[in-house]
Amino acid sequence: NAGVTQTPKFQVLKTGQSMTLQCAQDMNHEYMSWYRQDPGMGLRLIHYSVGAGITDQGEVPNGYNVSRSTTEDFPLRLLSAAPSQTSVYFCASSASAFRVGTEAFFGQGTRLTVV
Amino acid sequence: AQKITQTQPGMFVQEKEAVTLDCTYDTSDPSYGLFWYKQPSSGEMIFLIYQGSYDQQNATEGRYSLNFQKARKSANLVISASQLGDSAMYFCAMREGKGAQKLVFGQGTRLTINP
Repeated sequence: NAGVTQTPKFQVLKTGQSMTLQCAQDMNHEYMSWYRQDPGMGLRLIHYSVGAGITDQGEVPNGYNVSRSTTEDFPLRLLSAAPSQTSVYFCASSASAFRVGTEAFFGQGTRLTVV
Repeated sequence: AQKITQTQPGMFVQEKEAVTLDCTYDTSDPSYGLFWYKQPSSGEMIFLIYQGSYDQQNATEGRYSLNFQKARKSANLVISASQLGDSAMYFCAMREGKGAQKLVFGQGTRLTINP
Protein backbone atom coordinates (compact mmCIF):
# COMPACT_ATOMS: atom_id res chain seq x y z
CA ASN A 1 0.00 0.00 0.00
CA ALA A 2 2.76 2.46 -0.87
CA GLY A 3 0.64 5.08 -2.69
CA VAL A 4 2.76 8.21 -3.25
CA THR A 5 6.29 8.07 -1.92
CA GLN A 6 8.48 11.13 -1.53
CA THR A 7 12.16 11.20 -0.67
CA PRO A 8 13.86 12.63 1.23
CA LYS A 9 11.64 13.64 4.15
CA PHE A 10 14.02 16.36 5.31
CA GLN A 11 16.80 18.22 3.52
CA VAL A 12 19.07 21.15 4.27
CA LEU A 13 20.75 22.85 1.32
CA LYS A 14 23.18 25.69 1.00
CA THR A 15 22.28 28.60 -1.25
CA GLY A 16 23.25 27.79 -4.82
CA GLN A 17 23.22 24.02 -4.45
CA SER A 18 21.02 21.89 -6.66
CA MET A 19 19.04 18.85 -5.72
CA THR A 20 16.22 16.59 -6.84
CA LEU A 21 13.16 15.72 -4.80
CA GLN A 22 11.92 12.30 -5.73
CA CYS A 23 8.28 11.30 -6.13
CA ALA A 24 6.96 7.88 -7.12
CA GLN A 25 3.44 6.47 -7.23
CA ASP A 26 2.39 2.88 -7.70
CA MET A 27 -1.27 3.45 -8.58
CA ASN A 28 -0.78 3.90 -12.35
CA HIS A 29 -2.11 7.44 -12.06
CA GLU A 30 -2.12 9.71 -15.11
CA TYR A 31 -1.74 12.97 -13.27
CA MET A 32 1.08 14.01 -10.96
CA SER A 33 1.87 17.37 -9.46
CA TRP A 34 4.16 19.23 -7.09
CA TYR A 35 3.04 21.78 -4.52
CA ARG A 36 4.86 23.90 -2.03
CA GLN A 37 3.29 24.83 1.29
CA ASP A 38 4.25 28.04 3.04
CA PRO A 39 2.68 29.40 6.24
CA GLY A 40 -0.53 31.32 5.56
CA MET A 41 -0.47 30.55 1.84
CA GLY A 42 -1.95 27.11 1.53
CA LEU A 43 -0.57 24.82 -1.15
CA ARG A 44 0.61 26.39 -4.37
CA LEU A 45 1.06 24.41 -7.57
CA ILE A 46 4.62 24.36 -8.95
CA HIS A 47 4.46 21.97 -11.92
CA TYR A 48 2.18 19.20 -13.05
CA SER A 49 2.06 16.38 -15.57
CA VAL A 50 -0.91 14.79 -17.30
CA GLY A 51 1.08 11.79 -18.52
CA ALA A 52 4.53 10.51 -19.36
CA GLY A 53 6.39 13.05 -21.46
CA ILE A 54 3.91 15.88 -20.76
CA THR A 55 4.54 18.57 -18.16
CA ASP A 56 3.33 22.10 -17.61
CA GLN A 57 3.83 25.00 -15.25
CA GLY A 58 1.68 25.79 -12.28
CA GLU A 59 1.39 28.96 -10.26
CA VAL A 60 4.97 29.19 -8.95
CA PRO A 61 7.31 27.40 -11.40
CA ASN A 62 10.37 29.66 -11.26
CA GLY A 63 13.50 27.95 -9.99
CA TYR A 64 12.15 24.44 -10.51
CA ASN A 65 12.33 21.89 -13.30
CA VAL A 66 10.41 18.69 -13.81
CA SER A 67 10.33 15.80 -16.22
CA ARG A 68 8.14 12.72 -16.52
CA SER A 69 9.84 9.90 -18.35
CA THR A 70 7.67 7.19 -16.78
CA THR A 71 4.12 7.03 -15.42
CA GLU A 72 5.43 6.23 -11.94
CA ASP A 73 8.04 8.95 -11.34
CA PHE A 74 7.88 12.72 -11.27
CA PRO A 75 11.07 14.27 -9.84
CA LEU A 76 11.32 17.95 -8.96
CA ARG A 77 14.68 19.62 -9.52
CA LEU A 78 15.88 22.75 -7.78
CA LEU A 79 18.43 24.26 -10.09
CA SER A 80 20.15 26.72 -7.72
CA ALA A 81 18.57 26.73 -4.28
CA ALA A 82 17.59 30.05 -2.71
CA PRO A 83 16.36 30.79 0.84
CA SER A 84 12.97 31.68 -0.68
CA GLN A 85 12.62 28.01 -1.61
CA THR A 86 12.56 26.98 2.04
CA SER A 87 9.21 25.25 2.26
CA VAL A 88 7.39 21.96 2.60
CA TYR A 89 6.98 20.22 -0.74
CA PHE A 90 4.18 17.81 -1.55
CA CYS A 91 3.84 15.50 -4.48
CA ALA A 92 0.33 14.40 -5.43
CA SER A 93 -1.18 12.05 -7.98
CA SER A 94 -4.67 11.49 -9.38
CA ALA A 95 -6.12 8.71 -11.48
CA SER A 96 -7.42 11.04 -14.16
CA ALA A 97 -5.96 14.26 -15.47
CA PHE A 98 -9.29 15.60 -16.68
CA ARG A 99 -12.15 14.55 -14.41
CA VAL A 100 -13.09 17.22 -11.90
CA GLY A 101 -14.05 14.68 -9.25
CA THR A 102 -10.73 12.89 -9.21
CA GLU A 103 -9.27 12.68 -5.71
CA ALA A 104 -5.65 13.69 -5.24
CA PHE A 105 -3.40 11.40 -3.20
CA PHE A 106 -0.51 13.10 -1.45
CA GLY A 107 2.94 12.01 -0.41
CA GLN A 108 4.19 12.62 3.12
CA GLY A 109 5.98 15.81 2.18
CA THR A 110 9.60 16.97 2.09
CA ARG A 111 10.69 19.70 4.48
CA LEU A 112 13.41 21.68 2.71
CA THR A 113 15.54 24.36 4.35
CA VAL A 114 17.89 26.51 2.30
CA VAL A 115 20.54 28.33 4.33
CA ALA B 1 -7.57 36.39 -8.61
CA GLN B 2 -8.10 34.24 -5.56
CA LYS B 3 -10.04 31.18 -6.61
CA ILE B 4 -10.56 29.73 -3.15
CA THR B 5 -10.99 31.85 -0.05
CA GLN B 6 -10.96 30.61 3.51
CA THR B 7 -11.58 33.59 5.75
CA GLN B 8 -11.00 31.93 9.12
CA PRO B 9 -7.27 31.61 9.85
CA GLY B 10 -8.03 29.92 13.17
CA MET B 11 -11.01 28.52 15.04
CA PHE B 12 -11.43 27.26 18.59
CA VAL B 13 -14.29 24.93 19.46
CA GLN B 14 -15.30 22.94 22.51
CA GLU B 15 -15.21 19.18 22.19
CA LYS B 16 -18.52 17.63 21.06
CA GLU B 17 -19.73 20.86 19.51
CA ALA B 18 -20.41 21.15 15.78
CA VAL B 19 -18.11 23.40 13.77
CA THR B 20 -18.43 25.03 10.36
CA LEU B 21 -15.36 25.92 8.32
CA ASP B 22 -16.01 28.46 5.60
CA CYS B 23 -14.96 28.24 1.98
CA THR B 24 -15.96 30.45 -0.91
CA TYR B 25 -14.81 29.94 -4.47
CA ASP B 26 -14.71 31.81 -7.73
CA THR B 27 -15.23 30.22 -11.11
CA SER B 28 -17.17 30.79 -14.32
CA ASP B 29 -16.84 27.15 -15.34
CA PRO B 30 -20.16 25.28 -14.89
CA SER B 31 -18.26 22.06 -14.21
CA TYR B 32 -16.09 21.96 -11.12
CA GLY B 33 -15.33 19.88 -8.08
CA LEU B 34 -14.76 20.98 -4.51
CA PHE B 35 -12.62 19.08 -2.01
CA TRP B 36 -11.77 19.33 1.66
CA TYR B 37 -8.50 18.02 3.04
CA LYS B 38 -7.32 17.69 6.62
CA GLN B 39 -3.67 18.17 7.60
CA PRO B 40 -2.88 17.05 11.15
CA SER B 41 0.30 18.15 12.91
CA SER B 42 2.09 15.11 11.46
CA GLY B 43 1.85 16.83 8.07
CA GLU B 44 0.08 14.40 5.77
CA MET B 45 -2.86 15.49 3.63
CA ILE B 46 -6.03 13.48 4.25
CA PHE B 47 -8.96 13.64 1.84
CA LEU B 48 -12.26 14.23 3.65
CA ILE B 49 -15.09 14.96 1.27
CA TYR B 50 -15.95 15.90 -2.31
CA GLN B 51 -18.79 17.86 -3.91
CA GLY B 52 -19.38 18.10 -7.65
CA SER B 53 -20.99 21.18 -9.16
CA TYR B 54 -23.77 19.09 -10.69
CA ASP B 55 -24.48 17.08 -7.55
CA GLN B 56 -28.05 17.61 -6.42
CA GLN B 57 -27.45 16.75 -2.79
CA ASN B 58 -24.89 17.95 -0.28
CA ALA B 59 -22.10 15.47 0.24
CA THR B 60 -21.77 13.63 3.55
CA GLU B 61 -19.04 11.33 4.89
CA GLY B 62 -19.57 10.18 8.44
CA ARG B 63 -19.25 13.22 10.73
CA TYR B 64 -18.34 15.45 7.78
CA SER B 65 -20.87 17.17 5.59
CA LEU B 66 -20.53 19.83 2.97
CA ASN B 67 -22.97 22.75 2.99
CA PHE B 68 -22.95 23.53 -0.73
CA GLN B 69 -24.64 26.77 -1.73
CA LYS B 70 -24.04 27.09 -5.43
CA ALA B 71 -25.60 30.51 -5.95
CA ARG B 72 -23.45 31.95 -3.16
CA LYS B 73 -20.40 30.00 -4.36
CA SER B 74 -19.76 28.59 -0.94
CA ALA B 75 -18.81 25.08 0.14
CA ASN B 76 -18.56 25.06 3.90
CA LEU B 77 -17.38 21.99 5.79
CA VAL B 78 -19.46 20.99 8.79
CA ILE B 79 -17.98 18.66 11.39
CA SER B 80 -20.54 17.31 13.80
CA ALA B 81 -19.72 16.25 17.36
CA SER B 82 -16.12 17.44 17.19
CA GLN B 83 -13.36 15.34 18.74
CA LEU B 84 -9.89 16.22 20.02
CA GLY B 85 -8.46 14.40 17.01
CA ASP B 86 -10.16 16.89 14.71
CA SER B 87 -7.58 19.52 15.68
CA ALA B 88 -5.71 20.17 12.43
CA MET B 89 -5.38 22.45 9.43
CA TYR B 90 -8.26 22.18 6.98
CA PHE B 91 -7.96 23.09 3.33
CA CYS B 92 -10.65 23.71 0.77
CA ALA B 93 -9.67 23.05 -2.85
CA MET B 94 -11.27 23.25 -6.29
CA ARG B 95 -10.72 21.67 -9.65
CA GLU B 96 -12.38 23.29 -12.67
CA GLY B 97 -13.61 21.49 -15.76
CA LYS B 98 -11.52 23.48 -18.21
CA GLY B 99 -8.38 23.31 -16.13
CA ALA B 100 -9.11 20.00 -14.47
CA GLN B 101 -5.41 19.37 -14.19
CA LYS B 102 -5.03 21.99 -11.53
CA LEU B 103 -6.23 21.52 -7.98
CA VAL B 104 -6.25 24.98 -6.40
CA PHE B 105 -6.15 25.37 -2.61
CA GLY B 106 -7.28 27.98 -0.14
CA GLN B 107 -5.01 29.26 2.63
CA GLY B 108 -6.45 26.89 5.19
CA THR B 109 -8.12 27.15 8.60
CA ARG B 110 -6.43 25.92 11.76
CA LEU B 111 -9.04 24.21 13.93
CA THR B 112 -8.36 23.62 17.61
CA ILE B 113 -10.71 21.47 19.66
CA ASN B 114 -10.65 22.23 23.37
CA PRO B 115 -11.48 19.53 25.93
